[in-house]
Amino acid sequence: QAHLQQSGPGLVKPSQTLSLTCAISGDSVSSNNVAWHWLRQLPSGGLQWLGRTYYRSRWFNDYAEFVKSRISIKPDTSKNQFSLQVDSVTPEDTAIYYCSRGPALWGQGTMVAVSS
Amino acid sequence: VMTQTPLSLSVTPGQPASISCKSSQSLLRSDGKTYLYWCVQKPGQPPQLLIYEVSNRFSGVPDRFSGSGSGTDFILQISRVEAEDVGVYYCMQTKEIPWTFGQGTKVEI
Repeated sequence: QAHLQQSGPGLVKPSQTLSLTCAISGDSVSSNNVAWHWLRQLPSGGLQWLGRTYYRSRWFNDYAEFVKSRISIKPDTSKNQFSLQVDSVTPEDTAIYYCSRGPALWGQGTMVAVSS
Repeated sequence: VMTQTPLSLSVTPGQPASISCKSSQSLLRSDGKTYLYWCVQKPGQPPQLLIYEVSNRFSGVPDRFSGSGSGTDFILQISRVEAEDVGVYYCMQTKEIPWTFGQGTKVEI
């Protein structure tokens, strides 16, 4: 049974970079029939899809338009994990961040506050 | 855009409950599948899948939960609400990126 374990800091200063990691067990980040996603849940409760990475003979990425200029999602095959980076964060990036393989599998969530 | 109604629901244990979800576009893909899911979120937890592809109960989900609909209109029904069913229910689509979610329906007892 697959499992996702998130790690990363819970507090980031404005203008700095948010970095989170999602470690995969029971599946492979290089699997060619799934994609690996990052989402977030705003304090209002709204859920937003941020982006994904997936392998189909080569690596692909897709990002949400509203964050496309600031986001990077990268696989790490040596550690079987994938990461999220969001640059130039503002307080509006305060949220609970989730990694996911699809609707049936989510990480535990990481509450990230952007504050000085 | 996914639109859920109602946004809150107060129910009596043993009574039925129903949540509607309407999509601005058809969620039927060329492979014949409709990519509409229902999840529930309890405090401090990630969303948990209840129903996949409109009407299929996920593993371990009680049979009092059922999903129906097609195209753009979908319904989640709980035949007899139990106290443990409190939470926020979301519909979501994965037909195309970006995944999009309904606003959530808070179910209280």
